[in-house]
Amino acid sequence: AQSVTQLDSHVSVSEGTPVLLRCNYSSSYSPSLFWYVQHPNKGLQLLLKYTSAATLVKGINGFEAEFKKSETSFHLTKPSAHMSDAAEYFCVLMFSGGYNKLIFGAGTRLAVHP
Amino acid sequence: DAGVTQSPTHLIKTRGQQVTLRCSPKSGHDTVSWYQQALGQGPQFIFQYYEEEERQRGNFPDRFSGHQFPNYSSELNVNALLLGDSALYLCASSPLQSSYNEQFFGPGTRLTVL
Repeated sequence: AQSVTQLDSHVSVSEGTPVLLRCNYSSSYSPSLFWYVQHPNKGLQLLLKYTSAATLVKGINGFEAEFKKSETSFHLTKPSAHMSDAAEYFCVLMFSGGYNKLIFGAGTRLAVHP
Repeated sequence: DAGVTQSPTHLIKTRGQQVTLRCSPKSGHDTVSWYQQALGQGPQFIFQYYEEEERQRGNFPDRFSGHQFPNYSSELNVNALLLGDSALYLCASSPLQSSYNEQFFGPGTRLTVL
């Protein structure tokens, strides 16, 4: 079965400190993985995607993620948090059965304190 | 270029009623997917429409049905509403020929069932 597990439901950091949001996946096939961000009252926005090219993926707003097949992980990082990064983050697996079906993790709420 | 739009923004219904939610995809997109996001959870795939036909379906009962029109817009219908149907309903669109299958999400419709 294909699934995504986000290891932390809440993460709290101080502005200017690094961010780490953890994600593990389960897939029998070579996965396509995404990170989406959801700000209050706004739609989901794609941060970055991994589709079997480079294992270190750079996204928007300074975020990046590293695909590690041996650890079945796809953790999201950012060197320095900004107040505007406070939001809900979702790690997402594309179902390999086709048709772009997305499988979402439960989400990690990131709080950024001054 | 307008992104994905959804209407209405909010909706309040009572148990047993029926509801219709609407979605207009991003310009140039012909595939529409619907997701249900319960409070505190990640979105769950309901179904996907392409060429006016349901192409794939998640684990949702037949009370959930949809439609896609020739202009690619879509409706989600839910019959015999239950309290558990209260959620944010998200519409996502994508171009069929996208090389990486990114889906663009609308802001959602917040449905409350009393």
